[in-house]
Amino acid sequence: GNSVTQMEGPVTLSEEAFLTINCTYTATGYPSLFWYVQYPGEGLQLLLKATKADDKGSNKGFEATYRKETTSFHLEKGSVQVSDSAVYFCALIPHDSGAGSYQLTFGKGTKLSVIP
Amino acid sequence: DAMVIQNPRYQVTQFGKPVTLSCSQTLNHNVMYWYQQKSSQAPKLLFHYYDKDFNNEADTPDNFQSRRPNTSFCFLDIRSPGLGDAAMYLCATSGESGLNTEAFFGQGTRLTVV
Repeated sequence: GNSVTQMEGPVTLSEEAFLTINCTYTATGYPSLFWYVQYPGEGLQLLLKATKADDKGSNKGFEATYRKETTSFHLEKGSVQVSDSAVYFCALIPHDSGAGSYQLTFGKGTKLSVIP
Repeated sequence: DAMVIQNPRYQVTQFGKPVTLSCSQTLNHNVMYWYQQKSSQAPKLLFHYYDKDFNNEADTPDNFQSRRPNTSFCFLDIRSPGLGDAAMYLCATSGESGLNTEAFFGQGTRLTVV
């Protein structure tokens, strides 16, 4: 089956520190990969995505590269801000045939706290 | 320009009293999903509609039902809410499978059961 494994949180960083949140996946075929962000009390927002190997998704200073050889999609940001404090979810949509090929599989989420 | 709209944002209901949460979308997407998210957990898929076809997850309790009267609207009915059903309920939509498929989420409805 399909699964996503994220590093355990919570992660606490000082402002302007470098961020990495690890994500690895198991899937048949070649899934699309996503990072979603959830601010306190809100729904999920798409942060970035990549649809094929070696693609790099980027948004708001965050980046993640689709690594097929290591089945990974690690999230990085060079300099975090207090406003980046949120829960980050790695997710995939498989592209094998059959029912459910458009359904998201989530990781468990990583809570990030950035302190001034 | 909200594309997936959930109402209400906060809902308080009494133990055992039926409650309905609503979701609407302006994206004309085929697929609509309902997720339950408890504190500090990932969203858990309850069911989804592919057009009018209803797909229930195997472990979704019978207490949870859904209706999709048209493309734009989808409802989550909880027939007899228990204290364990207190959670954030998230609606999402997506197009058909394909490389550009992604899910768009609403703001969520926070359900409290008293």
